Amino acid sequence: GEDVEQSLFLSVREGDSSVINCTYTDSSSTYLYWYKQEPGAGLQLLTYIFSNMDMKQDQRLTVLLNKKDKHLSLRIADTQTGDSAIYFCAEKRAGSYQLTFGKGTKLSVIP
Amino acid sequence: DAGVIQSPRHEVTEMGQEVTLRCKPISGHDYLFWYRQTMMRGLELLIYFNNNVPIDDSGMPEDRFSAKMPNASFSTLKIQPSEPRDSAVYFCASRPESGELFFGEGSRLTVL
Repeated sequence: GEDVEQSLFLSVREGDSSVINCTYTDSSSTYLYWYKQEPGAGLQLLTYIFSNMDMKQDQRLTVLLNKKDKHLSLRIADTQTGDSAIYFCAEKRAGSYQLTFGKGTKLSVIP
Repeated sequence: DAGVIQSPRHEVTEMGQEVTLRCKPISGHDYLFWYRQTMMRGLELLIYFNNNVPIDDSGMPEDRFSAKMPNASFSTLKIQPSEPRDSAVYFCASRPESGELFFGEGSRLTVL
């Protein structure tokens, strides 16, 4: 299977919470990241979590990490139309300088 | 700083032609990465450099692809000859020794 897996699509109503899930395979991952890509643009780092943490909150964003299950999630509270984008999960493995990305989850926000 | 700058933003070319994509990383960043994004395969790492030296080019699809970094402020990704299956968005990204990875806006390549 893929090293980093995400579902490809998610659709939510404006004002609801969005939860984007990701699973990874390498237990040596040191950092896990969420990137956002808007149409026609590059990827921008949204947030990241160190592997010895299980939760990180940053305004409307909450990252949860279950290291035992190798599961990462990104929750966006009060989702807005401006949150419509592709969200990429990525992992950085110990001793590596590169990131391994998932294929991205396209979030569509319905007004 | 203006961020990672890539050119051209869009390129349309015919099969067999040479394509050169350019990247200017953020000043002071030690690492430079070239990625390719397609619907089928997502984001793939092609090659990365550390202090202008290629470290890992195992992601380069085949000999038609080559990348250089002649100095700390410039890198090129060349495809010669190009094929329709090379059509994709090519991203350059850079980062300091320890820190965030910054992406350019990408170069959208269409090979007819």
